[in-house]
Parts: sequence; C-alpha cells; structure tokens
Amino acid sequence: NAGVMQNPRHLVRRRGQEARLRCSPMKGHSHVYWYRQLPEEGLKFMVYLQKENIIDESGMPKERFSAEFPKEGPSILRIQQVVRGDSAAYFCASSPQASGSSLTSEQYFGPGTRLTVT
Amino acid sequence: GENVEQHPSTLSVQEGDSAVIKCTYSDSASNYFPWYKQELGKGPQLIIDIRSNVGEKKDQRIAVTLNKTAKHFSLHITETQPEDSAVYFCAASLGGGGFKTIFGAGTRLFVKA
Repeated sequence: NAGVMQNPRHLVRRRGQEARLRCSPMKGHSHVYWYRQLPEEGLKFMVYLQKENIIDESGMPKERFSAEFPKEGPSILRIQQVVRGDSAAYFCASSPQASGSSLTSEQYFGPGTRLTVT
Repeated sequence: GENVEQHPSTLSVQEGDSAVIKCTYSDSASNYFPWYKQELGKGPQLIIDIRSNVGEKKDQRIAVTLNKTAKHFSLHITETQPEDSAVYFCAASLGGGGFKTIFGAGTRLFVKA
C-alpha cells in the first residue's frame, strides 16, 4: 500500500511565476490536508479538503493561494505570482475519516515539496 | 484559537538515557494528541498518539502521558539509540465539528553514541 505521494519533490520558481504542488493521498483516504513548514519551524496548517470540497481554508493566505481536490486525480496546491517568502517545504497529509467526528483520525504525511523562489 | 507550546527546543542525551519532551495546549476541547518524528529531508512520521479518554499509552520504548486538567502531554523515549535522533513534533487536534491540528514548534533530539 503506497503512502502519500507528493510531486515534485523540489521545485524552483522565479518571482512572479506559478507553483503547482501535487498530492496523491493514500489508497482509501478521501481527506487531504496541506501544511507549510519554514526552516527550523513547525508545521502550519493551511487547508483541509475532502473530495471536491474545501472544508477549512483558514490557514491559507487569501491571495495567490488556492487548493483543490477533484473527484479524479491528485489534490493541487497552487501558488500564483510567487514571492521569496513562499519558499518553504509544503507537506500534504491524508486520513481515511472525517476529522470533524469525535474520533479524530490519524494523518499520514507525504515526503513534501521543497519550493525555492529565486 | 488553539496554541501548542513545546519544550525543550533542543535536547541532547547520551545513548541509553531517557528523553522527555513536554507540550502544553490551550483549548480544553482538544481531544487527540499525536506525536511525529521528522528526519532530515523527510515528511513527519506518526510515532504514537493518545486520545483524551486515556491518560497514558505505551509502545515499546515510547510512551505518551496526558494530563487533561493541566492541559499538558509528554513524550517519553527510554533506552535512546542514535537512530532516535530527529525532530519531534507534538500536536493537538479539535474534534466535534471543526478541524484543526496545531503543531508545536518541534524538539531537535540528539542522541550521542
């Protein structure tokens, strides 16, 4: 059973370009979460999605950032007009059960995409 | 909102000794407390978790304790080995209608051989 997959593992973009980060959850998981990690810091929640729905995007900047999890295919985190401050590691996690229930499910993380903005 | 504080930020122990990492959380509604280990260049890996209806959980050399009254939880690693060297993150999650998993800032553990 393959784990959470993310690609690309490394992405270099010039300021003003767009970055697209992809995440394929574990088989059987229908809930995806995106986190950002700056060097030497913890993970900051960005967005939680279920298939075709954004459940909680309170941690995602209102401008330039968007996320989707279509019925078919991977979840995509898109950053438009990147700036140097967007340089970070972006991690995706997945879980098999809704996190709004009283029994919160474990999240399994992918290897991350390291975005460098030059 | 929820806030998770983690201490210490760096911990150095001799191989074979125990290591203890402590976290506090602010929201009494939090009901799920996972711990993750992150090695250099990799994603966080879930190593143990505890839910609010138990006070302690153990898995071989790793144990976690939870004090709901004081709103703090701790990770205990016994008989540490060099391969335990990594960054460890605690987290707290809210259940019941809203999703949030808030992570601590991490503890860098060095196990000296």
